[in-house]
Amino acid sequence: AQKVTQAQTEISVVEKEDVTLDCVYETRDTTYYLFWYKQPPSGELVFLIRRNSFDEQNEISGRYSWNFQKSTSSFNFTITASQVVDSAVYFCALSPRMDSSYKLIFGSGTRLLVRP
Amino acid sequence: ETGVTQSPTHLIKTRGQQVTLRCSSQSGHNTVSWYQQALGQGPQFIFQYYREEENGRGNFPPRFSGLQFPNYSSELNVNALELDDSALYLCASSLGGGREGLGEQFFGPGTRLTVL
Repeated sequence: AQKVTQAQTEISVVEKEDVTLDCVYETRDTTYYLFWYKQPPSGELVFLIRRNSFDEQNEISGRYSWNFQKSTSSFNFTITASQVVDSAVYFCALSPRMDSSYKLIFGSGTRLLVRP
Repeated sequence: ETGVTQSPTHLIKTRGQQVTLRCSSQSGHNTVSWYQQALGQGPQFIFQYYREEENGRGNFPPRFSGLQFPNYSSELNVNALELDDSALYLCASSLGGGREGLGEQFFGPGTRLTVL
């Protein structure tokens, strides 16, 4: 089965706190991509990161960092020193490479609320 | 902004009617994917069009159909609308597809369909 699980439905933090969004995936494919998208209230999905299954190096981009652990099939996303503008729904997605459409399989999302 | 546009922004239909949603892909992109996002859920893959042909389909009934035109814009048609078809419909454009491999998918703002 190809599946993405985001167990945290909603997280609420106070501005400047660090927050980690969890993502666990299932796939039989050995080659795949993992993504994180942000969906603000406007509805448009904003691409944050793509990581392929052969690259387990963690990545940092400003206040954002991602931890990919193949051994636990997890691809977690941490926001450091959160800001009110980070409030949105965040989706983790899996794209198996064996499917020629490279469709995105999304988790159910985590709603992040950052309070001032 | 991604350069992907969708029309209309909002639409209200009644059960049993038919609807056509439109997507203009980003300049240079030849692949369009459609996703359905029900309230509170992650987007689900409907189908993809690559160079005017369907290239992959999700678990949606045949009353969901599509087209891609020579300029790579696309339409999503839904016949015999049901209440459960109420959702945000997102299109994503990208370069490549099939054996070429798929580039990054850029999402449009979506069309919110309400079926009464």
